[in-house]
Amino acid sequence: DIQMTQSPSSVSASVGDRVTITCRASQGISSWLAWYQQKPGKAPKLLIYAASSLQSGVPSRFSGSGSGTDFTLTVSSLQPEDFATYYCQQANSFPQTFGQGTKVEIK
Amino acid sequence: QVQLVESGGGVVQPGGSLRLSCAASGFTFNIYGMHWVRQAPGKGLEWVAYIRYDGGNTYYADSVKGRFTISRDNSKNTLYLQMNSLRTDDTAVYYCAKKQGNPDYFDYWGQGTLVTVSS
Repeated sequence: DIQMTQSPSSVSASVGDRVTITCRASQGISSWLAWYQQKPGKAPKLLIYAASSLQSGVPSRFSGSGSGTDFTLTVSSLQPEDFATYYCQQANSFPQTFGQGTKVEIK
Repeated sequence: QVQLVESGGGVVQPGGSLRLSCAASGFTFNIYGMHWVRQAPGKGLEWVAYIRYDGGNTYYADSVKGRFTISRDNSKNTLYLQMNSLRTDDTAVYYCAKKQGNPDYFDYWGQGTLVTVSS
């Protein structure tokens, strides 16, 4: 199975800050990577797919980059509604696997 | 608008069985693959199972293989997960999720249904 490792596990930030989360795959996955946002008690929401494609309706302050084994999710200017947990997911092969999550908290 | 509504969760003893359902609406159900994904309390996301649009192909996580069965009824726009030989570590919120094209991203999710396995 492909292992997905996110860092950091948590980050404290203020409104307006730029936040970057990284995700590393245990083997190359081309650009078959997605990012999800999850708020407490809610289902995950797809933000980015194919490493850098913005899902319809997602604000442009979210962006993704990378290919192969190293990927990043960047929030250019953190908004109050962005405090949540973020997960990466590889879609290269079954079983699909997720990173362990990164919690973005208010500083 | 796309809606996925899970049902069937509850409390069950170890070794017991449960069947989850996911009612789909707002899209052409019979042309999309569907997944189940679970989340143990306070933990991360774990993919569980996948079924092709026509039911012709299925995949399972090793942790549930041989115990869980994914199926669908396209005439009823409904996805199922039959869970047998349940263990305490199957306790989780179970989400159904729609496959977005190729490859397997999850573009719509249900609200989840909680399964608690406890004696």
